[in-house]
Amino acid sequence: SAVISQKPSRDICQRGTSLTIQCQVDSQVTMMFWYRQQPGQSLTLIATANQGSEATYESGFVIDKFPISRPNLTFSTLTVSNMSPEDSSIYLCSVVRIAGLRSSYNEQFFGPGTRLTVL
Amino acid sequence: ELKVEQNPLFLSMQEEKNYTIYCNYSTTSDRLYWYRQDPGKSLESLFVLLSNGAVKQEGRLMASLDTKARLSTLHITAAVHDLSATYFCAVDDFGNEKLTFGTGTRLTIIP
Repeated sequence: SAVISQKPSRDICQRGTSLTIQCQVDSQVTMMFWYRQQPGQSLTLIATANQGSEATYESGFVIDKFPISRPNLTFSTLTVSNMSPEDSSIYLCSVVRIAGLRSSYNEQFFGPGTRLTVL
Repeated sequence: ELKVEQNPLFLSMQEEKNYTIYCNYSTTSDRLYWYRQDPGKSLESLFVLLSNGAVKQEGRLMASLDTKARLSTLHITAAVHDLSATYFCAVDDFGNEKLTFGTGTRLTIIP
């Protein structure tokens, strides 16, 4: 599987502030996504991080609230802006390993997550 | 809108018993994934099912896919405590790798 790291692993933030989460992969990947997991809930896709262009957001998520950067094929950031307690969640990045020598099918792997608490 | 439902949501079972988790989805997708999540941890990929009738097994876990019924099952054989975790199914509806996750099943194995 791909080795994915996220920083920070957790943070406690004040209402109205912003936090940038980093996702680093040990190899170049074409597809990278950001998901949110609210407390006790399942995962919801926030956006696709596109290298060299604007991210593609899912319904209910907007760029002003969740700006995303993807400067290259191994790195992406997600910013949670103007935070409120409702933003308290685990934020996970994921990458897709394309079928090839290691596997005959695509597989999606998840980072360790960033646990965000907003007071 | 794609809907993915799992049942049961919570499952407590004794060791050495067998049980099945069900994942129903609302589209004709033939790409379904199973993940495991331990408390406070990220997701671990368990199975990738890519065609009707696909069956995969790893240890005490076996997953199957029936695309006509829009149903996947995760069967647990002779459960052991180490299998306690939350299990998610996820569907890729358009083949674009964007996953819609099920509600999750929190499994607790009681010694």
